[in-house]
Amino acid sequence: GAGVSQTPSNKVTEKGKYVELRCDPISGHTALYWYRQSLGQGPEFLIYFQGTGAADDSGLPNDRFFAVRPEGSVSTLKIQRTERGDSAVYLCASSPGQVNTEAFFGQGTRLTVV
Amino acid sequence: GENVEQHPSTLSVQEGDSAVIKCTYSDSASNYFPWYKQELGKGPQLIIDIRSNVGEKKDQRIAVTLNKTAKHFSLHITETQPEDSAVYFCAAGDQYNFNKFYFGSGTKLNVKP
Repeated sequence: GAGVSQTPSNKVTEKGKYVELRCDPISGHTALYWYRQSLGQGPEFLIYFQGTGAADDSGLPNDRFFAVRPEGSVSTLKIQRTERGDSAVYLCASSPGQVNTEAFFGQGTRLTVV
Repeated sequence: GENVEQHPSTLSVQEGDSAVIKCTYSDSASNYFPWYKQELGKGPQLIIDIRSNVGEKKDQRIAVTLNKTAKHFSLHITETQPEDSAVYFCAAGDQYNFNKFYFGSGTKLNVKP
């Protein structure tokens, strides 16, 4: 597609369940980022991929969060044993991978843990 | 790490007036400062950016200024229109990775017709 696509757009899950959030970046973009946006706040960095490898995962809040990008394109953010505090909009962005290039954001996945 | 503060949190202006949003940052090594517009239910969209070797940049009705000494930067929107109503975020770019951003908390701009 023309832009970054995230699925699902909305996800409601019960506390303690496992969820997967998917990101399809713009074709050819080697860099991919996950951010988390809580209500009324700016996005917070979670993890950055360059190709298939996680170049920087310093923003992942704890070991319940994990992300993969096995073929250097689609990425999946995985959250185990979800907690109500995980409720937020999870944003994905991609860029061509060189410095000084624009990052394009998807519309986000709104995760609600009940 | 970097800390970005943004003011005001809400801003209401009359159509045709100017709007100014201000941000400060803490890490003097940051050298890339984008501004994003986010409409309800959508992801942030880049509207303008500035790099540390430039003090001002303008694109039609939008301008950004940067004062590296004081570590603050501002967004200026002139001749505001109702479609400018949205949440605006400033961000500071990581020195090693320009797309690892530290975002401000956002400014909700309301342009009254």
